Amino acid sequence: KAGVTQTPRYLIKTRGQQVTLSCSPISGHRSVSWYQQTPGQGLQFLFEYFSETQRNKGNFPGRFSGRQFSNSRSEMNVSTLELGDSALYLCASSLISGSGIEQFFGPGTRLTVL
Amino acid sequence: AQRVTQPEKLLSVFKGAPVELKCNYSYSGSPELFWYVQYSRQRLQLLLRHISRESIKGFTADLNKGETSFHLKKPFAQEEDSAMYYCALLNNNAGNMLTFGGGTRLMVKP
Repeated sequence: KAGVTQTPRYLIKTRGQQVTLSCSPISGHRSVSWYQQTPGQGLQFLFEYFSETQRNKGNFPGRFSGRQFSNSRSEMNVSTLELGDSALYLCASSLISGSGIEQFFGPGTRLTVL
Repeated sequence: AQRVTQPEKLLSVFKGAPVELKCNYSYSGSPELFWYVQYSRQRLQLLLRHISRESIKGFTADLNKGETSFHLKKPFAQEEDSAMYYCALLNNNAGNMLTFGGGTRLMVKP
């Protein structure tokens, strides 16, 4: 099975712009979660989508939003970019098995805001 | 609120030495804990989880509810174990939200 894929891998934007990141989960996975990774704050949960519904949201401003499509692919959007939004954005899709829940991570999209 | 703490940002050991990466958590419910590893230029991947009580690449971790800890151990470190290690707690009362610790960089010297 192909792993979680994220596009684009690298992105450079300027302050005030908006950006959309895309994530394709592993086939058959219906849950997609997004995380922000920065040197200062580490890995922080942004939100999770399951069957096109946002199931949980982390402590981020409303400029951060997301959605999930019927094929489980997910996008996240950041509007009015700030310098502090520069980070690696990770997407993970989840599998529930007899051993519990396992999240599989994508390679990330590195966003640089100038 | 749930919280995961990894007190060491960097741990440096020699090859063949024992390794223990510390993880402490706070959570009001029944915890489900994981260790993730990120090798250089690779994506974050699951190393092990307490539910399955498995040993992966020689690593083990035991959940100690009394001490609220989930330390990762390996008796004999190898150079290829050098990586970033993250302890994570699942809040499954709210979907699949993982709370991560700050991470520990393990360096295994030859």
